[in-house]
Amino acid sequence: DTAVSQTPKYLVTQMGNDKSIKCEQNLGHDTMYWYKQDSKKFLKIMFSYNNKELIINETVPNRFSPKSPDKAHLNLHINSLELGDSAVYFCASSQDLRGDGAKNIQYFGAGTRLSVL
Amino acid sequence: GESVGLHLPTLSVQEGDNSIINCAYSNSASDYFIWYKQESGKGPQFIIDIRSNMDKRQGQRVTVLLNKTVKHLSLQIAATQPGDSAVYFCAESNDYKLSFGAGTTVTVRA
Repeated sequence: DTAVSQTPKYLVTQMGNDKSIKCEQNLGHDTMYWYKQDSKKFLKIMFSYNNKELIINETVPNRFSPKSPDKAHLNLHINSLELGDSAVYFCASSQDLRGDGAKNIQYFGAGTRLSVL
Repeated sequence: GESVGLHLPTLSVQEGDNSIINCAYSNSASDYFIWYKQESGKGPQFIIDIRSNMDKRQGQRVTVLLNKTVKHLSLQIAATQPGDSAVYFCAESNDYKLSFGAGTTVTVRA
């Protein structure tokens, strides 16, 4: 069983379109995250949710809207896609938002490679 | 193979040699640090962690060293194998989030 799974793995779309990426974790974790990884492999946090509550929103454009229907799912919807949105998006989860040691370890999905044409 | 001092984006190492990957972190208030390994086409994978009240921690073939005085973290890989080829990230934890370093691409030569 995949601990953190995201779909789709690849997403190719035109500028201006709206798309969604889904993420699910079966680890029983309370906290989930979205990251963006650019072409230089730089990983940057976008959002984090703890028990369905938004905790971190790292000045991401309003076109990006995360939704957490329950603590096992954190989906990412992107409106009006732009060329600069092309990147690999990673979902991750951790046992807790803040804790000692193992509770803070984040487990990542395999990524969604988004290409905006 | 060794990247000494400043962070280097790439490291080439002979199979069987030891590797040292360096990382400078930015926030002196960070109290927890993690090393991740990212293989091609995959997500980052946890390798080893260390709390700020420690200066060394060992795992299987890996050792993390923490120098809080100069805000420096290193990952040592013993007897590097072809499967160790990947991008390695250090991450520091503060304010409920992990901040990742720039990553070092390790290539193992046969």
